[in-house]
Amino acid sequence: DAGVTQSPTHLIKTRGQQVTLRCSPKSGHDTVSWYQQALGQGPQFIFQYYEEEERQRGNFPDRFSGHQFPNYSSELNVNALLLGDSALYLCASSFRQGVYGYTFGSGTRLTVV
Amino acid sequence: DQQVKQNSPSLSVQEGRISILNCDYTNSMFDYFLWYKKYPAEGPTFLISISSIKDKNEDGRFTVFLNKSAKHLSLHIVPSQPGDSAVYFCAASKDRGSTLGRLYFGRGTQLTVWP
Repeated sequence: DAGVTQSPTHLIKTRGQQVTLRCSPKSGHDTVSWYQQALGQGPQFIFQYYEEEERQRGNFPDRFSGHQFPNYSSELNVNALLLGDSALYLCASSFRQGVYGYTFGSGTRLTVV
Repeated sequence: DQQVKQNSPSLSVQEGRISILNCDYTNSMFDYFLWYKKYPAEGPTFLISISSIKDKNEDGRFTVFLNKSAKHLSLHIVPSQPGDSAVYFCAASKDRGSTLGRLYFGRGTQLTVWP
């Protein structure tokens, strides 16, 4: 049974560019949440998608946007990249917005140069 | 606004001894707490959790204690093994309301278990 799958695993972008990260949830899960983990920090909540809508959002600017598809997979888009956006981006999936069985992917390491 | 705090960035313990990792929280609305373990180049993996209606939960070598009045929880690992060496994150959630399904994390504690 596949867990949470994220792609790509690593990415290098230049300041000002745009990036799209992808996440496929664990089988049976319908909710996807995105987190940013900067170096030396704990994961910080970006936003959550459920039933193809953004349900809640953390303290991140509008440059961060997302989407959820009918098959429950999700994308995270970041526009106008800043050096400070360099981080590990984690996707987590769950069922009906719950935290029971919350499962993380291995993340996408984004480096902005 | 760090609502979940892990004040010890690192902990070093000898194999076979007890490891105690601590976590404090400020938001009294938190009612469910989790510990995650993270190896380099991997995502966090769930270890153990506790509901606010309990004060202790055990799973094999891992026990989590919750002191609601002090807004403090701890993870005990007995006996510690070298394979336990990883970063441990404490996380909390409000199981009801507008932040359903959102986890608040501490900054993590790097546990090193030496032979």
